Amino acid sequence: AQTVTQSQPEMSVQEAETVTLSCTYDTSENNYYLFWYKQPPSRQMILVIRQEAYKQQNATENRFSVNFQKAAKSFSLKISDSQLGDTAMYFCAFLSGGGADGLTFGKGTHLIIQP
Amino acid sequence: DTGVSQDPRHKITKRGQNVTFRCDPISEHNRLYWYRQTLGQGPEFLTYFQNEAQLEKSRLLSDRFSAERPKGSFSTLEIQRTEQGDSAMYLCASSLVKGSPGTQYFGPGTRLLVL
Repeated sequence: AQTVTQSQPEMSVQEAETVTLSCTYDTSENNYYLFWYKQPPSRQMILVIRQEAYKQQNATENRFSVNFQKAAKSFSLKISDSQLGDTAMYFCAFLSGGGADGLTFGKGTHLIIQP
Repeated sequence: DTGVSQDPRHKITKRGQNVTFRCDPISEHNRLYWYRQTLGQGPEFLTYFQNEAQLEKSRLLSDRFSAERPKGSFSTLEIQRTEQGDSAMYLCASSLVKGSPGTQYFGPGTRLLVL
């Protein structure tokens, strides 16, 4: 079974700073997908970024980028020029390559952007 | 293109009662997932459907939990003889799978409180 570990329960940074959220995972599979989801307070889960394990290039989406280290089984999220609206719970998630299963989530990191 | 919708958004019930939640996926999405999220945790996968077929149900928490997707469109999750430990947020997600696993899009969730 896969496991996902997020070692930072809470982080706080000033607006406009850059912040990196860490995620490690454990799997014996070679083909899989990794995701970062954002869950604002009392609002629904939304996708931030997706990475296919077979792609060496790190995914980027505007201010969001990942550092995917397959050998180390590490998948960190970098948020540049952080904004107040980035305040949320951030969840790292793993999906088996065949997709014949649900997402395995970490416990989340509560990110607070201070004005 | 409307997103995933869930009904009701909130449910308060007494221990021992049965409850049923509904999920309407994004139109044409062929996979539908159910998750449970307890306070301070990431979502926990329960079951999923591809079209009307339930392909994974071993993760359902007990035999009191059941799910259906009779026509391959909306789905229902039923909990029989509710217990206080069932209090949680129940999330639904859907995806379009064409060859490779699609990204899962989440609904707003149904928050259940069992008194």
